[in-house]
Amino acid sequence: DQQVKQNSPSLSVQEGRISILNCDYTNSMFDYFLWYKKYPAEGPTFLISISSIKDKNEDGRFTVFLNKSAKHLSLHIVPSQPGDSAVYFCAASHSYQGAQKLVFGQGTRLTINP
Amino acid sequence: DTGVSQDPRHKITKRGQNVTFRCDPISEHNRLYWYRQTLGQGPEFLTYFQNEAQLEKSRLLSDRFSAERPKGSFSTLEIQRTEQGDSAMYLCASSLVLAGYRRSYNEQFFGPGTRLTVL
Repeated sequence: DQQVKQNSPSLSVQEGRISILNCDYTNSMFDYFLWYKKYPAEGPTFLISISSIKDKNEDGRFTVFLNKSAKHLSLHIVPSQPGDSAVYFCAASHSYQGAQKLVFGQGTRLTINP
Repeated sequence: DTGVSQDPRHKITKRGQNVTFRCDPISEHNRLYWYRQTLGQGPEFLTYFQNEAQLEKSRLLSDRFSAERPKGSFSTLEIQRTEQGDSAMYLCASSLVLAGYRRSYNEQFFGPGTRLTVL
């Protein structure tokens, strides 16, 4: 069962505009959410995270929004830049002691057009 | 460079051969994770270590897979009698989880991965 889903395999956005990447989860025990960015032939790079006690976290051009009732989170990138072109993965975990393993979505390939 | 490193970056092997991968985590990190990523999918958890102890293994980790983390520093992942279905990117990640805290937000840092191709 896919506990974390990214339903858009790809997204194309004009440079300078806003990119919005979406993610849905089913496991209500998840309380910590992360976004990773991945370039080809590299490992995922951590971007931004949010705990379930918040509904928004901002870091420069990146903002993550969490809607717990809808079990939905989104990543906003404003303004989008060509270097943002990559695959973005949403991940979720449980913050209590234990494995705290990350459960990933399938990824969304973001392309920023000049 | 003080990030997570993995070696080799690429490995091509014939079906039935054994392969071993190495991961060097960020030095002060006490947790080390192995994930596997196949084409079009996100990384999937395989196993993790807290210092030198292997505390959980996924159902994805068959008996042909073994992982170690002697002395709680670097880790190795060995696959015996490789099969074509083992072809994937094997990712290592590390994190610091403070003891004594009931809740910990576990930001994991990934290495570049080892791409395995089984012919």
